Parts: sequence; C-alpha cells; structure tokens
Amino acid sequence: EAQVTQNPRYLITVTGKKLTVTCSQNMNHEYMSWYRQDPGLGLRQIYYSMNVEVTDKGDVPEGYKVSRKEKRNFPLILESPSPNQTSLYFCASGPGTPNTGELFFGEGSRLTVL
Amino acid sequence: GDSVTQMEGPVTLSEEAFLTINCTYTATGYPSLFWYVQYPGEGLQLLLKATKADDKGSNKGFEATYRKETTSFHLEKGSVQVSDSAVYFCALSDRSNTGKLIFGQGTTLQVKP
Repeated sequence: EAQVTQNPRYLITVTGKKLTVTCSQNMNHEYMSWYRQDPGLGLRQIYYSMNVEVTDKGDVPEGYKVSRKEKRNFPLILESPSPNQTSLYFCASGPGTPNTGELFFGEGSRLTVL
Repeated sequence: GDSVTQMEGPVTLSEEAFLTINCTYTATGYPSLFWYVQYPGEGLQLLLKATKADDKGSNKGFEATYRKETTSFHLEKGSVQVSDSAVYFCALSDRSNTGKLIFGQGTTLQVKP
C-alpha cells in the first residue's frame, strides 16, 4: 500500500530534550516536505527536499533541522524543543513539485513540549 | 507574498444541503489551485485541483472553478453527506520550483443527519 509513515504519532516532551520525528515513504517520490498545522493558521511549510542530499528552508524553519540521506526517509529534528513548537506535524511526499502533482500526506505527529 | 483566505468555520449543514466554501487568493503570476480534505485523525488528501484560469476541478461530487478575474476558487457540492464532515483546505502553488503549497486556515464542515 502506498503510504507516508510518520513516527511517533503522539509525543509529550520537555523543553530542551532533543527529539526526531521520522518520515518514510514507499512511493519512490523525489519530493518530500514537512509542515506544521496550528489553529487558525492552516499548514505552514518547515523544510522541503527536492531529492537526496538536497534540502531547503520553508516559511518557518527556525528551531528545526532535516536530512535527506536516502530517498525514502526525511526525518525532522528538533535539537532543543521549546513550547512554541507544540503543534501537529505532517510529512508529505510527491512525484514532483506540488504544482505538477499531488502531495501525499502522513497521518500527522502531535507534539507537546512542556 | 502569496496568500489564501478561506471563509470562517465551522460550517454546519443538514444532509443533502448545498455546500459552498469560499476561497480567494493573492498571488503574483498564475498559480495552480487545490482543495485538500482532512478527515478526523488522518492526513490531508487531495480532493481536486485546477492549473489554469477557467479550469474546473471535480471529484466525489465536489467542484471548484479557477476564476482569475475574481481570484477565487470556491468549493461546491450539490448534496452533502454525513461522510463529508471534515476540514477543507484551499491551497495554491506558485510556478516556481520551490515546491511550496500555501494553505488557507481550513474550514471545518459538519454535516448532520
């Protein structure tokens, strides 16, 4: 089954404790991206990757890191989480950039930073 | 910068009612336009899209027409069902190679039997 898998789905952590949210897709997509969803703000792009070893900042990259060592994986790293990073995070992948094709989203990872 | 504005929710309708969710956009150039749907506890799914002016996207009884003159992409459905209850996001993608979708804030639809 074609899918984007994120882990963990739910996480409560404390300020400053490094964490990684994993994302894996099995559709051989070149494009992957991370978004955060906050009430009243819709989804905002954090980082994206056009292909292996190619990553770039989205609209809200502060406090986050990503890597793309393999085509299928695109982990999101919070080196020192803060309460303003409490949010619902979505990973997405696509065969091309969004204006040429559909984006496929994971089920989301709800993160709470105390 | 580019932006998308959706009507405020939540929208509550009875089954078989007509649905309109308004969406307007601001963009330089000629973006592609999308509607994504998020069912409870799930990720977003593409519902429909339109890539140029006057295109009509349609899927599962939903329709939206790309109106360049009014910079709008309103979502409509003639007869909603309880299973249509979800959050609907309007989005645009510019023609650059950045790969970014710009989303509206989302509109929650609740359909009652």
